[in-house]
Amino acid sequence: QLQLQESAPGLLKPSETLSLTCTVSGDSISTDSYYWGWLRQPPGKGLEWIGSIHYRGGTTYNPSLRSRVAISVDTSKNQFSLNLNSLTAADTAVYFCARGWGIQLWMNYFDPWGRGTLVTVSS
Amino acid sequence: EIVLTQSPGTLSLSPGERATLSCRASQSLSSGYLAWYQQRPGQAPRLLIYAASSRAAGIPDRFSGSGSGTDFILTISRLEPEDFAVYYCQRYGGSPPISFGGGTKVDIK
Repeated sequence: QLQLQESAPGLLKPSETLSLTCTVSGDSISTDSYYWGWLRQPPGKGLEWIGSIHYRGGTTYNPSLRSRVAISVDTSKNQFSLNLNSLTAADTAVYFCARGWGIQLWMNYFDPWGRGTLVTVSS
Repeated sequence: EIVLTQSPGTLSLSPGERATLSCRASQSLSSGYLAWYQQRPGQAPRLLIYAASSRAAGIPDRFSGSGSGTDFILTISRLEPEDFAVYYCQRYGGSPPISFGGGTKVDIK
């Protein structure tokens, strides 16, 4: 049974960089038919897709975040990671990692999801 | 960018009743690439439906999805206590980005 677990960076200051890692267990991240995604949810609000990656290295990002985000994969550790720079209070959210299904990198639905980790940006 | 609008914002029903949730797209999702998720408080979203009408593994058959073009429906035939939650639709076809509707909360009347 596939499980995903986000790391827990906690509290960050404005202008800092968020670095999150998702550890995948129960299956290999190096599977052609899977994609891997990051999503977030501000407290009390809806869901926002951040971006997705395939283990061969292809990535796609939400245009609203593209200038600040990078997603990478480490197949040796069965992990993928999110970097988001120039943080502001608007980046405060629960961040989820998830496995993506679909025919293209930007055409994914997500199942399952990690439990999520709260990232707070505050001075 | 295609915008998804969910209605109603809140649906107040009793256990055993039928719930009908709507998701409308600002442009046609001609591929039918629409998913539905359930999110209980403090939990991650759970995939219910993909490709508009295909039930995900392990999802009870009281959940069903329908629709095409711009109008999609999630139906819960008989509400169980554990079904009171927030439901989101998500489109995943066409140009990026992947996007979600604003959600419908199903609460106990």
